[in-house]
Amino acid sequence: LAKTTQPISMDSYEGQEVNITCSHNNIATNDYITWYQQFPSQGPRFIIQGYKTKVTNEVASLFIPADRKSSTLSLPRVSLSDTAVYYCLVGSSYNTDKLIFGTGTRLQVFP
Amino acid sequence: DTEVTQTPKHLVMGMTNKKSLKCEQHMGHRAMYWYKQKAKKPPELMFVYSYEKLSINESVPSRFSPECPNSSLLNLHLHALQPEDSALYLCASSQEGRETTEAFFGQGTRLTVV
Repeated sequence: LAKTTQPISMDSYEGQEVNITCSHNNIATNDYITWYQQFPSQGPRFIIQGYKTKVTNEVASLFIPADRKSSTLSLPRVSLSDTAVYYCLVGSSYNTDKLIFGTGTRLQVFP
Repeated sequence: DTEVTQTPKHLVMGMTNKKSLKCEQHMGHRAMYWYKQKAKKPPELMFVYSYEKLSINESVPSRFSPECPNSSLLNLHLHALQPEDSALYLCASSQEGRETTEAFFGQGTRLTVV
């Protein structure tokens, strides 16, 4: 059973910043938060992973508050090619929770 | 090489056929997974192999039979499938026992059962 809750869908326009929030109230001490992106008929692609505070890489930022019961994926200046489904997963490398996908958030970017 | 390669990309099979899906990775990952994904739904975990041993079977019907011949290869043998088994089948791999939860996914095999 997925341990995360996300909005089903979001709309945005090109050039805007998009923030997708994930709720994981029962996150365990050893759990990491991992986000994947998936385009139609392709396998999911890893975007970013974090444990606490803020993580940034070349494509996104991940904000995690001190209680770790939620997290926010931030996509700066989205383009049409960012239209995809975004999944938040929670788990540790020592269990299989990290492999359980929730419903995901379908992001639609408009011109 | 950070790729997971799945073959074939597309497969059409009859309900009496036997076919196999193949997955290969050369990243030294010791955990490999099979997922099933229906249209507009999230991937559903089917099987997990850890160090070439089946560690998780998520109550998958016996018409799906996984096999892990070595640490780089993962097969999914299909027999007597039903039309409702038509889906995108995804393979993934990851490190075991490291502080990372990153999994690498293949592009999937689009299976149609007729």
